[in-house]
Amino acid sequence: NAGVTQTPKFQVLKTGQSMTLQCAQDMNHNSMYWYRQDPGMGLRLIYYSASEGTTDKGEVPNGYNVSRLNKREFSLRLESAAPSQTSVYFCASSERERVNTEAFFGQGTRLTVV
Amino acid sequence: AQSVAQPEDQVNVAEGNPLTVKCTYSVSGNPYLFWYVQYPNRGLQFLLKYITGDNLVKGSYGFEAEFNKSQTSFHLKKPSALVSDSALYFCAVRGLNDMRFGAGTRLTVKP
Repeated sequence: NAGVTQTPKFQVLKTGQSMTLQCAQDMNHNSMYWYRQDPGMGLRLIYYSASEGTTDKGEVPNGYNVSRLNKREFSLRLESAAPSQTSVYFCASSERERVNTEAFFGQGTRLTVV
Repeated sequence: AQSVAQPEDQVNVAEGNPLTVKCTYSVSGNPYLFWYVQYPNRGLQFLLKYITGDNLVKGSYGFEAEFNKSQTSFHLKKPSALVSDSALYFCAVRGLNDMRFGAGTRLTVKP
């Protein structure tokens, strides 16, 4: 039972570097999400994907891009990392059709931009 | 837009006492409300959810939540707190395409 798997778990980047955070789920969910968690601000939605081939902006999309590669995988890319993007990033997935079902979360990626 | 608010950053209770973690919501249409818990260096774990018609919802680890439509609230409760309940708690509201979270409440249960 893998659930939602995120890689890497930890990453340190220099300002201006790029990287891609990977996420995969094995629950056949249509909906996938990327959040960032910062102290005192809870989880803020960066992007979401309601189904394969579609993506939409959330609350804080600036500086990020996403790709819904297939039904299983949803990646988050930082093209030019900034210190303000230091955060813990969580990927999640849920059934789209049944709105009263819960989301399942990965273990998170702790990103530091220096 | 749908949203939830958690008015308390921190809640402290003594072990064995009842606990309440507050959440209020703002939605158009039916509310789909959830509580999650986060332990240190872990992802979020589902605790319970509101199902239309059941104002008192029971969930994992002895937690329950009371839905109040007139007060637009969905407070998390437990009759007798344990030290192991100490964690970060998030209230969330789900729409068709997204899920929004509150800022979180850190619960500390002291022996």
